[in-house]
Amino acid sequence: GAGVSQTPSNKVTEKGKYVELRCDPISGHTALYWYRQSLGQGPEFLIYFQGTGAADDSGLPNDRFFAVRPEGSVSTLKIQRTERGDSAMYLCASSLRLMNTEAFFGQGTRLTVV
Amino acid sequence: AQKITQTQPGMFVQEKEAVTLDCTYDTSDPSYGLFWYKQPSSGEMIFLIYQGSYDQQNATEGRYSLNFQKARKSANLVISASQLGDSAMYFCAMKVNRDDKIIFGKGTRLHILP
Repeated sequence: GAGVSQTPSNKVTEKGKYVELRCDPISGHTALYWYRQSLGQGPEFLIYFQGTGAADDSGLPNDRFFAVRPEGSVSTLKIQRTERGDSAMYLCASSLRLMNTEAFFGQGTRLTVV
Repeated sequence: AQKITQTQPGMFVQEKEAVTLDCTYDTSDPSYGLFWYKQPSSGEMIFLIYQGSYDQQNATEGRYSLNFQKARKSANLVISASQLGDSAMYFCAMKVNRDDKIIFGKGTRLHILP
């Protein structure tokens, strides 16, 4: 597709379960970003990939959160032992590695932990 | 560390009036880019305008212009002739050249009144 694709669009899981959120960036975009957005707040930076490597994972809240991008394209955000406080919209974005280019966002995955 | 500050949590503006949304930023990097995004109630993040730190002129895109005051580290968004469809959350964001990470402010909710 032409845009950033995130699946699933909605995910409801029970507390303590493991979840995976997928992001398929725009073809050719080397930079990929994950953000978490709570209602009425700005996107909170989680992790940023340049190619296959995590260039900056300083935003991951704790070791229950992990993300991979093994082939430099699709990325998966993994959350272990989910907690109710993990409920939020998870946004993925991709961009070219050029200073003056914006990031293009997917529609997000709304995660609800019950 | 980089930081974006948006001090207006909400604004009400009469239709057809101009509106200025405030954004200040903090970085020690000399090379950076500033972005504004619009997020309507549907949740999508829509890129509006970009300003590079070395750009001599303020960026303009249709009804959007960016009032860039580098010495004050200010990048306010100006929307001229506001329309009802401008009602949304607006986020200021910054990317520094050193690492390409994009960080966002907390946003301003703009309400356009008929």
